Amino acid sequence: DADVTQTPRNRITKTGKRIMLECSQTKGHDRMYWYRQDPGLGLRLIYYSFDVKDINKGEISDGYSVSRQAQAKFSLSLESAIPNQTALYFCATSVLGTGAISDEQFFGPGTRLTVL
Amino acid sequence: EDKVVQSPLSLVVHEGDTVTLNCSYEVTNFRSLLWYKQEKKAPTFLFMLTSSGIEKKSGRLSSILDKKELFSILNITATQTGDSAVYLCAVSSRETSGSRLTFGEGTQLTVNP
Repeated sequence: DADVTQTPRNRITKTGKRIMLECSQTKGHDRMYWYRQDPGLGLRLIYYSFDVKDINKGEISDGYSVSRQAQAKFSLSLESAIPNQTALYFCATSVLGTGAISDEQFFGPGTRLTVL
Repeated sequence: EDKVVQSPLSLVVHEGDTVTLNCSYEVTNFRSLLWYKQEKKAPTFLFMLTSSGIEKKSGRLSSILDKKELFSILNITATQTGDSAVYLCAVSSRETSGSRLTFGEGTQLTVNP
């Protein structure tokens, strides 16, 4: 089945460490997104990419960077992790619709990151 | 700044009850409104609404959009314990080369037997 995968699924790290979260998809979608989820705050957009050469900041990009290595891969980095970056991180994909609106996003299983 | 507000934030009901979840929004360049269900894992898609007044239905779940008053409701009839989850509302706004979603805080629904 075409899918969205994230690695690692769980990670515990220390303040100041560099962390990379990876996302891969076999759906053939050109659009990819990174969100974080904190209790009571829904999902907040960190970065998004409409194609390999198009990367955009979301509402909470400070402290994060991304790399779109290929259509199928989108990585999120925390250059120097801090405790308030402890959260559940989701990668998502969507397709470029031709004609009808197709805004549905497909989510990966999530990465639970704890920064001590 | 785009904004999506859901209410209530938490709801506890008994099996068989009917529930109504609310979502209001302020978004520039509105494209669509989406509902997702999240059960301790990745959100799963329920509905997408683009036009006012058209009801989308899937079994016991239904949703309607009011673009004039800028809100949507999600109804669940004859609730079951398996309906317990966080229900997320998201609104899509148009951008130069695509669209992006803004999510509400979610409504935590608990259905007791």
